[in-house]
Amino acid sequence: NAGVTQTPKFQVLKTGQSMTLQCAQDMNHNSMYWYRQDPGMGLRLIYYSASEGTTDKGEVPNGYNVSRLNKREFSLRLESAAPSQTSVYFCASSPSGRYNEQFFGPGTRLTVL
Amino acid sequence: AQSVAQPEDQVNVAEGNPLTVKCTYSVSGNPYLFWYVQYPNRGLQFLLKYITGDNLVKGSYGFEAEFNKSQTSFHLKKPSALVSDSALYFCAVQTDSWGKLQFGAGTQVVVTP
Repeated sequence: NAGVTQTPKFQVLKTGQSMTLQCAQDMNHNSMYWYRQDPGMGLRLIYYSASEGTTDKGEVPNGYNVSRLNKREFSLRLESAAPSQTSVYFCASSPSGRYNEQFFGPGTRLTVL
Repeated sequence: AQSVAQPEDQVNVAEGNPLTVKCTYSVSGNPYLFWYVQYPNRGLQFLLKYITGDNLVKGSYGFEAEFNKSQTSFHLKKPSALVSDSALYFCAVQTDSWGKLQFGAGTQVVVTP
């Protein structure tokens, strides 16, 4: 099992460009999450999907959109990238919400110039 | 609001000595607490969790954590640190039934030979 996979690993964008970060899990998990990690701030939740067909905002959703394409895949889209979105992005999944730990992907390092 | 605090940005310890990483929490209701570790350029890995029951929780790689309700703490411990334990450690609290996590800012652990 690959667990949680993310593509790409690295990306450089210019301000105003758009891109989609891809995430897939092969553990048959119901819940999926997108976080960003910035130095000294821990991880902050951008969006989550409690189950296939549902998505909801987290702590820092502005400037992002998500799609839960199916049970396996959960993508994050930046419509018009800004330098403030320079960060490391992590996708995670869990069997369901309460009590369960989350399993994290390797991350995407995004730089917006 | 549910939150956790990690009061130390960095912990330095000599190999073979005990390691403690501190975490305090603030929650309404029962706390569901987690510890994760992040090695350089990697995603987060789950170490252990407290849901209910025994206040001493044992986890991966020889780590354990002690839940203390009166002090609202959930400190991570290892009796004898290894150089390979050098990493970034995050404490997190589950904030709702959907499994969302609120992370602390992280503590960098440096173990010297």
